[in-house]
Amino acid sequence: ETGVTQTPRHLVMGMTNKKSLKCEQHLGHNAMYWYKQSAKKPLELMFVYSLEERVENNSVPSRFSPECPNSSHLFLHLHTLQPEDSALYLCASSQRTSGSTDTQYFGPGTRLTVL
Amino acid sequence: AQSVTQLDSQVPVFEEAPVELRCNYSSSVSVYLFWYVQYPNQGLQLLLKYLSGSTLVKGINGFEAEFNKSQTSFHLRKPSVHISDTAEYFCAVSDSDYKLSFGAGTTVTVRA
Repeated sequence: ETGVTQTPRHLVMGMTNKKSLKCEQHLGHNAMYWYKQSAKKPLELMFVYSLEERVENNSVPSRFSPECPNSSHLFLHLHTLQPEDSALYLCASSQRTSGSTDTQYFGPGTRLTVL
Repeated sequence: AQSVTQLDSQVPVFEEAPVELRCNYSSSVSVYLFWYVQYPNQGLQLLLKYLSGSTLVKGINGFEAEFNKSQTSFHLRKPSVHISDTAEYFCAVSDSDYKLSFGAGTTVTVRA
């Protein structure tokens, strides 16, 4: 595997379900990100981890819970979601040098549908 | 805080014709600018970025963009598009550590 991988690619869940999204980066990076992509809206940054420490939580509802057990893996745990949470969830990674100039490398995303 | 406006949500274009995608940003500080492309069913991929120096930036796949500080713009151009350039294009700006602010995207559809 190369680059950034995400599983599953598609997920359908009910509002009472608990599920998790997984992201793995094979680039040796030390920062990882979760974004939400809704149709015709800008990507929304949800969480940022740097060296496995959460450095950003962009006012995301508590029904989304991130976990970063090591620098290569990032999870997004989902619980009691709402239909408006249906979206494409993108994971990205970067090698943190100066931060604002870093190139972020994206995975293909998980298409989430909440019924 | 910065914001990014992509002025065109959809751009249809014929194969081998030129294309320009417009991007304007607002920020009170110096910024770094990016263009990403998202092909169908894929994640975002960096096309090019402006950090400093020459205002004309060349990227992959024949794309280039010009940074215009006075007009706060970073428009993306390609002189001759291919069918394979059909994708969604995102402009993004960063003025602080690790945060990218994205525009809403421009869908480019290339027709034969």
